[in-house]
Amino acid sequence: NAGVTQTPKFQVLKTGQSMTLQCAQDMNHEYMSWYRQDPGMGLRLIHYSVGAGITDQGEVPNGYNVSRSTTEDFPLRLLSAAPSQTSVYFCASSYLIGQGRTEAFFGQGTRLTVV
Amino acid sequence: DAKTTQPTSMDCAEGRAANLPCNHSTISGNEYVYWYRQIHSQGPQYIIHGLKNNETNEMASLIITEDRKSSTLILPHATLRDTAVYYCIVRVSTSYDKVIFGPGTSLSVIP
Repeated sequence: NAGVTQTPKFQVLKTGQSMTLQCAQDMNHEYMSWYRQDPGMGLRLIHYSVGAGITDQGEVPNGYNVSRSTTEDFPLRLLSAAPSQTSVYFCASSYLIGQGRTEAFFGQGTRLTVV
Repeated sequence: DAKTTQPTSMDCAEGRAANLPCNHSTISGNEYVYWYRQIHSQGPQYIIHGLKNNETNEMASLIITEDRKSSTLILPHATLRDTAVYYCIVRVSTSYDKVIFGPGTSLSVIP
């Protein structure tokens, strides 16, 4: 059971390039989300999805697109990379059990540098 | 979701109990308190959650005040591996949408 897998682990982009950060989970979780974390700061929510075909914006969605065509995958697309998007990106998935439990499982992160 | 307030940083001696406070004075009746931690830029890890009763698991204990306006995460015997940023989050129990992480508390366990 792999959990949440993010690829790549490291990436360097030039300003203006586009790319897709991949996130896959094998736990059949309905809910997935993307966060970014800048040095010395907490996690900020970019986009999230409550099921296949349903996505919504978080705190800092500008410059990013997402789609959720399957339960397993939730890719994050950078349309035109900017140095301000240099960050560590975390993908998470979670599910609802009884008694309000919504434990989230996080991937190990993608470290992105835009030069 | 209700907002939470945590101290920016704390120190704890190795082997002693680490008590991490969290204020959530605007918490509503259907919101749970969750704790996560993040060790050295790894992905955050779930620790524990609770509604109004105290909770304990293999990692920690969670003490929630009777008025539910604050809580304390207790690591009973802190080790160096517990050095991490600890996040307190308040969540509605029936849905999972926006989960907002605050800056958390940076706990340093000192030998």
